[in-house]
Amino acid sequence: NAGVTQTPKFRVLKTGQSMTLLCAQDMNHEYMYWYRQDPGMGLRLIHYSVGEGTTAKGEVPDGYNVSRLKKQNFLLGLESAAPSQTSVYFCASSYEASGRGTGELFFGEGSRLTVL
Amino acid sequence: DQQVKQNSPSLSVQEGRISILNCDYTNSMFDYFLWYKKYPAEGPTFLISISSIKDKNEDGRFTVFLNKSAKHLSLHIVPSQPGDSAVYFCAASVAGANSKLTFGKGITLSVRP
Repeated sequence: NAGVTQTPKFRVLKTGQSMTLLCAQDMNHEYMYWYRQDPGMGLRLIHYSVGEGTTAKGEVPDGYNVSRLKKQNFLLGLESAAPSQTSVYFCASSYEASGRGTGELFFGEGSRLTVL
Repeated sequence: DQQVKQNSPSLSVQEGRISILNCDYTNSMFDYFLWYKKYPAEGPTFLISISSIKDKNEDGRFTVFLNKSAKHLSLHIVPSQPGDSAVYFCAASVAGANSKLTFGKGITLSVRP
C-alpha cells in the first residue's frame, strides 16, 4: 500500500530552469495539497485541489502552477526556478477537506529541491 | 500574519516525564485542531485531533487540551519516550468545503534517556 508517493525525491536546478514535481496517491482521496517546509517557517500551503480538474491557491502560490488532470495525481510546476524556491516540498491527500472528521492528512516523504 | 503560533522552538525533557507542547491561535473561526509529528527525512504523520466542541481528547499517552476562551491548545505526552523525539506541528482549520489546514512553525522535542 503505497499511500502518497512523490517524485523526484531530490533535485538540483539552476535559476531559470523549469521542473515538475509529481504526487500520486492510491487512496482515492478527493483532496490533495502541496506544502513547502522551510527552516523556522513550518508548513505553508502552496496550492490545493478539492477534486479532479480543480485547483486553488494557498498561502504562497507565486511562482508555482499545479494541475489535477487525474484524481490520483497532483502536479506542482516551477516555470522559472528561483533560489527562494529552495525548500522541501510535501504533497498530502485527505478523504475530507483538511482531514476534518478523520483528522488526517496523509503526507508523502518529501522532495528536496535546491535552486542554485 | 501568523494565525497558528508555536512560540517555543524547542523543548527538552527527561524520559518518563511529561512533555507539554503549546500552541496559540488568533483566528476565532478555527474549529478543528490537529497535531502532527515529523521525523527527519520523513513526511508528517497525524497524531491527534480535537474539535472545538470538546476541551480534551485522549489517545494513549497523548492528550490534547483546548481552551477556546484563551485560543490555546496544548499536547501532553505522558510518559515521554526517546522515540517521541521529533518535530511537532500544531494545525487548525475552519469548516467548509474548501477548508485548508494552517500549520504552526513546529516545536522540536528532545526526550533524553
